[in-house]
Amino acid sequence: EPEVTQTPSHQVTQMGQEVILRCVPISNHLYFYWYRQILGQKVEFLVSFYNNEISEKSEIFDDQFSVERPDGSNFTLKIRSTKLEDSAMYFCAAAGRGSPTDTQYFGPGTRLTVL
Amino acid sequence: AQSVAQPEDQVNVAEGNPLTVKCTYSVSGNPYLFWYVQYPNRGLQFLLKYITGDNLVKGSYGFEAEFNKSQTSFHLKKPSALVSDSALYFCAVTLKENFNKFYFGSGTKLNVKP
Repeated sequence: EPEVTQTPSHQVTQMGQEVILRCVPISNHLYFYWYRQILGQKVEFLVSFYNNEISEKSEIFDDQFSVERPDGSNFTLKIRSTKLEDSAMYFCAAAGRGSPTDTQYFGPGTRLTVL
Repeated sequence: AQSVAQPEDQVNVAEGNPLTVKCTYSVSGNPYLFWYVQYPNRGLQFLLKYITGDNLVKGSYGFEAEFNKSQTSFHLKKPSALVSDSALYFCAVTLKENFNKFYFGSGTKLNVKP
């Protein structure tokens, strides 16, 4: 199965600090996504990204969040000023063509802990 | 609003017995349905999906799921459970009209005992 990788696996930060979570999607995939899973809760959609633009975002994805693909390979999620409630597992996903017949392939996740 | 329900937090089954993990959905639009499995410290791994066609979908590792439009369900099944099937299972739905956004259930922990 194609593999999406994420770094770091675990990030601990102080409240108010900026964090950048990194994802390396599958090389020929064009559509990218971020999800988060607060401990014990369901996986929630954050944002989808295609052609260097946000395609869709959820109400969770406020001005504190941003995404970019700075070098054509990494796909990053930045949280500008972290809050305690941002503590969660963050998953990156990639899909080939963004069609309904595509499968979204998920990375192993980054566990973000905000103290 | 779109939603997915997995009514059981945990399912316990003995090895060799059939297993079912339940999923129901509520959407406004045409649903596409997915099952993912999550092993400890791993990402979500794709198992199977229903897009169109035959309501019975076969996927990885001997799993299958049946799409039931009238009951708005997409239960995951396997005829004979293995201890190695023990994991967290997530049902997800997206819409034909907007397939960039997945909605996930809360997950069901499957425990297969030897």
